[in-house]
Amino acid sequence: EAQVTQNPRYLITVTGKKLTVTCSQNMNHEYMSWYRQDPGLGLRQIYYSMNVEVTDKGDVPEGYKVSRKEKRNFPLILESPSPNQTSLYFCASSLGSGSSYEQYFGPGTRLTVT
Amino acid sequence: DQQVKQNSPSLSVQEGRISILNCDYTNSMFDYFLWYKKYPAEGPTFLISISSIKDKNEDGRFTVFLNKSAKHLSLHIVPSQPGDSAVYFCAASESGGTSYGKLTFGQGTILTVHP
Repeated sequence: EAQVTQNPRYLITVTGKKLTVTCSQNMNHEYMSWYRQDPGLGLRQIYYSMNVEVTDKGDVPEGYKVSRKEKRNFPLILESPSPNQTSLYFCASSLGSGSSYEQYFGPGTRLTVT
Repeated sequence: DQQVKQNSPSLSVQEGRISILNCDYTNSMFDYFLWYKKYPAEGPTFLISISSIKDKNEDGRFTVFLNKSAKHLSLHIVPSQPGDSAVYFCAASESGGTSYGKLTFGQGTILTVHP
């Protein structure tokens, strides 16, 4: 089954404790990105990747890191999480970076930073 | 600044009637528009899209209308069904420039269809 998977689905952590949210897709997609969803703001892009070893900032990259060492994986790293990073996070992938390529979203990771 | 706005946080409709969800945008560089549907505890799923060269696109019960001069698009669902109850996100993108597939989302509208 074609899908985007994220782990963990739920995470409660404390300020400053490094964490990684994994994202994996099995569709051989080139383009992957991370979004966060906050009430009243919709989804905002954090980082994206055009292909292996090619990443760039989205609209709200502060406090996050990403890497793309393999085509299928695109982990999101929070080196020192803060309470304002409490949010619902979605990973997405698509065949290409053009507008008409449908983006497939993972199920989401709900992160709480206390 | 919110470049894509969905001004109605929620909409309640009777089964069988039409649901109309609205979306406004401010960035004139947007030339591709999409609607995503999201159920609780799931990621958004693509519903329908429209390019700026068109003013209407239909797919079964779903029709998206685009009014470029007003920078407004709407999603019509006819007839509405209880299974359509979900959060609907409007999204926009630029095909050129350095946007590289970035989707700019609205805040979402919660649609509830009553049996």
